[in-house]
Amino acid sequence: KAGVTQTPRYLIKTRGQQVTLSCSPISGHRSVSWYQQTPGQGLQFLFEYFSETQRNKGNFPGRFSGRQFSNSRSEMNVSTLELGDSALYLCASSLALRTGESGYTFGSGTRLTVV
Amino acid sequence: GESVGLHLPTLSVQEGDNSIINCAYSNSASDYFIWYKQESGKGPQFIIDIRSNMDKRQGQRVTVLLNKTVKHLSLQIAATQPGDSAVYFCAVSSTGNQFYFGTGTSLTVIP
Repeated sequence: KAGVTQTPRYLIKTRGQQVTLSCSPISGHRSVSWYQQTPGQGLQFLFEYFSETQRNKGNFPGRFSGRQFSNSRSEMNVSTLELGDSALYLCASSLALRTGESGYTFGSGTRLTVV
Repeated sequence: GESVGLHLPTLSVQEGDNSIINCAYSNSASDYFIWYKQESGKGPQFIIDIRSNMDKRQGQRVTVLLNKTVKHLSLQIAATQPGDSAVYFCAVSSTGNQFYFGTGTSLTVIP
């Protein structure tokens, strides 16, 4: 079966712009989580969605937002981009909300570069 | 919250040797632990998990050891192969809460 699909794979944006990233979970998975990965900080939790509702949120500013659609696909948006937002953004899906069973299945990520 | 750290940012081993990657966590309430492998250009891939009611779990060529007393877990890879070269993360959570990830150990296998 298809894995977690993230689009686009690479993105270059200018400071002050906004960006929208997309994630399609594994078919049947209803929980989608987003992470920011940087060399110094590792994976930092952004937020988690289940049944179109944000269920958990990490410690990121309000410029970072997301949503989930009825088909479980999710988008995250970053407004007023800063240089420090350059990172690999990873989406992960699981069957249910934080079941922990076999953890998440991650996508390959979107590499965002802010110049 | 939770703080997760890895003991070594990099590790080099000879092909065929065993590899040990370590991880320490801070929250004694943490009860679920996962090891992930991340190859260049890919997302993290699940390797093996363990719950706090166990202290050892084995998979194919991999073993995870959990020491709750000192809040430490390790990943052992037997007969390390070039294909094992990657970054390895531990992820830690307590029931119903988010996962916290270590920053990763980069494993290089020398042929």
